[in-house]
Amino acid sequence: AQSVTQLGSHVSVSEGALVLLRCNYSSSVPPYLFWYVQYPNQGLQLLLKYTSAATLVKGINGFEAEFKKSETSFHLTKPSAHMSDAAEYFCAVSPTKAQKLVFGQGTRLTINP
Amino acid sequence: EAQVTQNPRYLITVTGKKLTVTCSQNMNHEYMSWYRQDPGLGLRQIYYSMNVEVTDKGDVPEGYKVSRKEKRNFPLILESPSPNQTSLYFCASSSPRFGGPDSYGYTFGSGTRLTVV
Repeated sequence: AQSVTQLGSHVSVSEGALVLLRCNYSSSVPPYLFWYVQYPNQGLQLLLKYTSAATLVKGINGFEAEFKKSETSFHLTKPSAHMSDAAEYFCAVSPTKAQKLVFGQGTRLTINP
Repeated sequence: EAQVTQNPRYLITVTGKKLTVTCSQNMNHEYMSWYRQDPGLGLRQIYYSMNVEVTDKGDVPEGYKVSRKEKRNFPLILESPSPNQTSLYFCASSSPRFGGPDSYGYTFGSGTRLTVV
């Protein structure tokens, strides 16, 4: 069965600092991997997705993630945090094409001025 | 505009009173799914549907029903709601078609915050 572990339920960084949100997955087959962002009182918005093409995936708002099969990781990064990045971030894995998403528990990102 | 529309956005109800949360998508997506979001647990799948008249249980189906009579609609039914079903619910749709901007990812509705007292 597929599962996702997000390390750290809360992450706090200063404005302009590097953002690193960690995600490890388990999957018996090559997975599809996703990062979603949820702003307060809103639904989930797709940030980026890995679907077995390039291992470094670029998404919206300056975020990117690198698929590392040997480490079963798909960490999300952004070189310079902005106040508008404050939100909850979810990593998700799908074993097949968009049939089912299994989510991690989420990481709440706080940006300090 | 391509979107998933859920109604209502907020709902407070009493234990045992049947309710339906509607979900509609305008993207001609085959797959639709319901999730509930609870603090510290992320999103958990309740039911999903691969196409019209094809539905299956997700990870937490107890206490819920769904139907898929039309491709665009996927209502979630709580026959006898209980307080442990107080949660934030999301409907989502997706398509397995390769290459399109909506491939391999779900489009989510804005959510329905349900409180059962």
